[in-house]
Amino acid sequence: SQKIEQNSEALNIQEGKTATLTCNYTNYSPAYLQWYRQDPGRGPVFLLLIRENEKEKRKERLKVTFDTTLKQSLFHITASQPADSATYLCALDIRTGGFKTIFGAGTRLFVKA
Amino acid sequence: NAGVTQTPKFRVLKTGQSMTLLCAQDMNHEYMYWYRQDPGMGLRLIHYSVGEGTTAKGEVPDGYNVSRLKKQNFLLGLESAAPSQTSVYFCASSYGTIIYNEQFFGPGTRLTVL
Repeated sequence: SQKIEQNSEALNIQEGKTATLTCNYTNYSPAYLQWYRQDPGRGPVFLLLIRENEKEKRKERLKVTFDTTLKQSLFHITASQPADSATYLCALDIRTGGFKTIFGAGTRLFVKA
Repeated sequence: NAGVTQTPKFRVLKTGQSMTLLCAQDMNHEYMYWYRQDPGMGLRLIHYSVGEGTTAKGEVPDGYNVSRLKKQNFLLGLESAAPSQTSVYFCASSYGTIIYNEQFFGPGTRLTVL
């Protein structure tokens, strides 16, 4: 069956450390993968997109890696801040004639001051 | 630019009642989507549209209908609401090109079916 797995347990880290979140998938061949941030009571907000032929993408303190052999993406936040506390969703874009996006359940991140 | 707006923000229905959720976007996006989000299950795609006048089923389409009569609007209908449809509903839109498919989300509609 097709699955997207993100760590369901919350991740607690100290301010200033690097947070690393994992997204694993099975039986999909995504054209690209996206990461979104969601705050309580709000809709998700796009952060980064990485294509199937890219290994790494960076944006300010964020870094995403994409390994299509391992079927895994890692999302890193360096020098984390309490304001980074949120739920982070990974999403696969699947070619189906057009494009369809499948979301993971998300990982909750808490950054302690 | 308002982005993606959804109405209403909250709604309580009784079992068997019907309602329509409205989504509007002012970014001239081709693609629009309706998702539901339940605790621990992430976002699940209900229906989507790749252009005006077109709709397609997503992962969980049963019990819902949609229409895209105008490019900027995407309506989600519940003909006979059931308690299992209690959820938070998000609308999103995107350009939908092969190069870039970032989705822009609305603020959500919290629906409770009693």
